[in-house]
Amino acid sequence: ETGVTQTPRHLVMGMTNKKSLKCEQHLGHNAMYWYKQSAKKPLELMFVYNFKEQTENNSVPSRFSPECPNSSHLFLHLHTLQPEDSALYLCASSQGSGGDTQYFGPGTRLTVL
Amino acid sequence: GQNIDQPTEMTATEGAIVQINCTYQTSGFNGLFWYQQHAGEAPTFLSYNVLDGLEEKGRFSSFLSRSKGYSYLLLKELQMKDSASYLCAVRNTGGFKTIFGAGTRLFVKA
Repeated sequence: ETGVTQTPRHLVMGMTNKKSLKCEQHLGHNAMYWYKQSAKKPLELMFVYNFKEQTENNSVPSRFSPECPNSSHLFLHLHTLQPEDSALYLCASSQGSGGDTQYFGPGTRLTVL
Repeated sequence: GQNIDQPTEMTATEGAIVQINCTYQTSGFNGLFWYQQHAGEAPTFLSYNVLDGLEEKGRFSSFLSRSKGYSYLLLKELQMKDSASYLCAVRNTGGFKTIFGAGTRLFVKA
């Protein structure tokens, strides 16, 4: 299944580094999402974009900065992260508004040293 | 507040039937999803219920009772490949927010 792709799949970074996660969806969807998944914790919604406009920021620290240049691409820019930010970051997309079925990418496993 | 509860882990035998329960309290309700997630992989959509009752899809069935804030996922004729985490998620009314439970890790043994 290559409907939603994410790069890189694994990332190790220091607390002073700047890196970006990339997500691309090939499903013709209009809404895209970033989630954080930590061990034994629920998926945490971070950001939602609909038609390139941010519609949800779930009280995410400013060290995470999303960017959505078009409906097919979504980025998450990372800077001065903390070790507790280590997690699996999942991107998802859905057809439209109202929380249609979401299709997930494989995720980026992030480790902050 | 909003809360979704499901058991942390379950173990079942190959060929058997297992039921994974989910209870929820959310501000508004506009549907419940079940996703399957194998270790190290993306969650994949299994089922969606918005009306009360049972939805059957092959070996998997999902049940919803809105008045009780309760759902279950029923897996029949278990196979080893069914070993995975099963995530219950509730969609709120208005907006894009879908709230996920922590997931139930299912171990299928021979």
